[in-house]
Amino acid sequence: QVQLVESGGGVVQPGRSLRLSCAASGFTFSSYGMHWVRQAPGKGLEWVAVIWYDGSNKYYADSVKGRFTISRDNSKNTLYLQMNSLRAEDTAVYYCARGVGVTIFLLDIWGQGTMVTVSS
Amino acid sequence: QSALTQPASVSGSPGQSITISCTGTSSDVGSYNLVSWYQQHPGKAPKLMIYEVSKRPSGVSNRFSGSKSGNTASLTISGLQAEDEADYYCCSYAGSSQVFGGGTKLTVL
Repeated sequence: QVQLVESGGGVVQPGRSLRLSCAASGFTFSSYGMHWVRQAPGKGLEWVAVIWYDGSNKYYADSVKGRFTISRDNSKNTLYLQMNSLRAEDTAVYYCARGVGVTIFLLDIWGQGTMVTVSS
Repeated sequence: QSALTQPASVSGSPGQSITISCTGTSSDVGSYNLVSWYQQHPGKAPKLMIYEVSKRPSGVSNRFSGSKSGNTASLTISGLQAEDEADYYCCSYAGSSQVFGGGTKLTVL
């Protein structure tokens, strides 16, 4: 079945780095744009970043621009989020999601999320 | 990239209808017919319920409907059921980005 499984979350100190992974299965990963969306504890959803199916385009939310990098390895069916210079406000559950639709910004399949806690 | 505005909470009794509003700007909701709605139960991932303002994905009940007027989109749930109790988020394309609403907690009384 179509599935996305995130990993790589954990507790990290402010200013340090962390890389999240999202393993895709059950669909042709290389044909779809992919997104990261996060949700701080008790808060709403926040779109983080998108990458085109072939990696040719990447866009970010202002809150993470310059610190986070989205990438993908289509040979491994895996999406990544490299998070540098982490701040307390980056603490959240991070979801990967498949993008579809005319703009690929429609999120039809979501993973279960991985928790990132930024704390000293 | 300011969040879209949703009421914090709404409630209704089983069988009733409720409507959740989602107000954006001329840069997002008002510019594109690309508003979607997501349902999220506690501890679960969001689920797509409405896309392109008023379309339903396969498998979503026809009790869920969407509309838009100007900078405000709306989600209506008719014939409320206990399993509809969840958080609901609107989302709008905003040109190479997208923005979510703050979320609305629906309580079925």
